[in-house]
Amino acid sequence: DQQVKQNSPSLSVQEGRISILNCDYTNSMFDYFLWYKKYPAEGPTFLISISSIKDKNEDGRFTVFLNKSAKHLSLHIVPSQPGDSAVYFCAASDYLYGGATNKLIFGTGTLLAVQP
Amino acid sequence: NAGVMQNPRHLVRRRGQEARLRCSPVKGHSHVYWYRQLPEEGLKFMVYLQKENIIDESGMPKERFSAEFPKEGPSILRIQQVVRGDSAAYFCASSPGTDYANVLTFGAGSRLTVL
Repeated sequence: DQQVKQNSPSLSVQEGRISILNCDYTNSMFDYFLWYKKYPAEGPTFLISISSIKDKNEDGRFTVFLNKSAKHLSLHIVPSQPGDSAVYFCAASDYLYGGATNKLIFGTGTLLAVQP
Repeated sequence: NAGVMQNPRHLVRRRGQEARLRCSPVKGHSHVYWYRQLPEEGLKFMVYLQKENIIDESGMPKERFSAEFPKEGPSILRIQQVVRGDSAAYFCASSPGTDYANVLTFGAGSRLTVL
């Protein structure tokens, strides 16, 4: 039962262009969403998050959009840089309904390759 | 301020042996989460612990796996009688509490290979 889905295993974009990574979820109780970035042989590092009461959150080159009715979120990176090449994981939490823990449910990840 | 420290980074075991993975959370963090990443898959939640308590072990296999977070010392994930299917990267994460929007900080992981 995959509650968080990232249907694109990989994505390749040119440096300077926009990267759009997508994520779908099935559990309507999720109330907090995060994106993590992971380099090989390292642990995931937090990138950006969004609460279910918002539909957009921006931090520098990174913007996350949330469409609750479609149960869909996306991460936009603009402009993309070669150093952004990594695996990006979408994650979700049901904090308010799930016993007030910070336990996260992860998607399977999307490998982003930014070509110079 | 050190982040989440995991050791060993790499561990090789033969089938039937025991594997012990250690995790020291960020200083001041009292909540620890263990995740497992199988090849070609995402991170799967295993267990959530506070000091001396297991809060949620819904992701732990029913047999051979156990976890603890003692009052003193690191959190330990223990796998008894390992099998080849246990080969994976095991990640530990910590948080300072359970406030809404706490971000989990992850360690670099421990890679277990079962021969």
